[in-house]
Amino acid sequence: DQQVKQNSPSLSVQEGRISILNCDYTNSMFDYFLWYKKYPAEGPTFLISISSIKDKNEDGRFTVFLNKSAKHLSLHIVPSQPGDSAVYFCAASQSPNSGGSNYKLTFGKGTLLTVNP
Amino acid sequence: DTGVSQNPRHKITKRGQNVTFRCDPISEHNRLYWYRQTLGQGPEFLTYFQNEAQLEKSRLLSDRFSAERPKGSFSTLEIQRTEQGDSAMYLCASSLGGLSYEQYFGPGTRLTVT
Repeated sequence: DQQVKQNSPSLSVQEGRISILNCDYTNSMFDYFLWYKKYPAEGPTFLISISSIKDKNEDGRFTVFLNKSAKHLSLHIVPSQPGDSAVYFCAASQSPNSGGSNYKLTFGKGTLLTVNP
Repeated sequence: DTGVSQNPRHKITKRGQNVTFRCDPISEHNRLYWYRQTLGQGPEFLTYFQNEAQLEKSRLLSDRFSAERPKGSFSTLEIQRTEQGDSAMYLCASSLGGLSYEQYFGPGTRLTVT
């Protein structure tokens, strides 16, 4: 079963506009969420994260929003730049304190973001 | 500061052969993870080391797979009697430990089994 879902395989936006990438999860025990960016032939690069005790975390052009009741999170990129074009993965983790093991990450299938000049 | 490195970057092997991959984590990181990624999927957890101890193995890790992390530094992942279904990107990640969730990934080893 897919515990982390990214239902949009791809997204295309114009340079300068907002990109919104969505992620849903089914395991209510997840207590930490991360976004990774991946370019072809490279490993995933950590982008931004959020703890389940927060509903928003911001870092420069990137903001992650968490809606625990809906089991939904989103990544906003404003303004979008052509260099942001990549596959974005949503990942979730469950701490040992809440029954998880070893902080391993469960990933979604990714969304390919294309930012057009 | 060097990141996580993996070698080789690409490996082509014939079915039935054994292969070994190496991962060098960020030096002060005591947690090390292996993941596997196939086309159109996100990375899937394979195994986890805390220092030199292998503390968890996924059910995805059949008995043909073995991983080690001697002395708690670099790690190796060996696949014996490779099958075409083993073709994938094998990713290594490391983490600082403690309450840190963030994992930092290497560039991966692309395995193709012919």
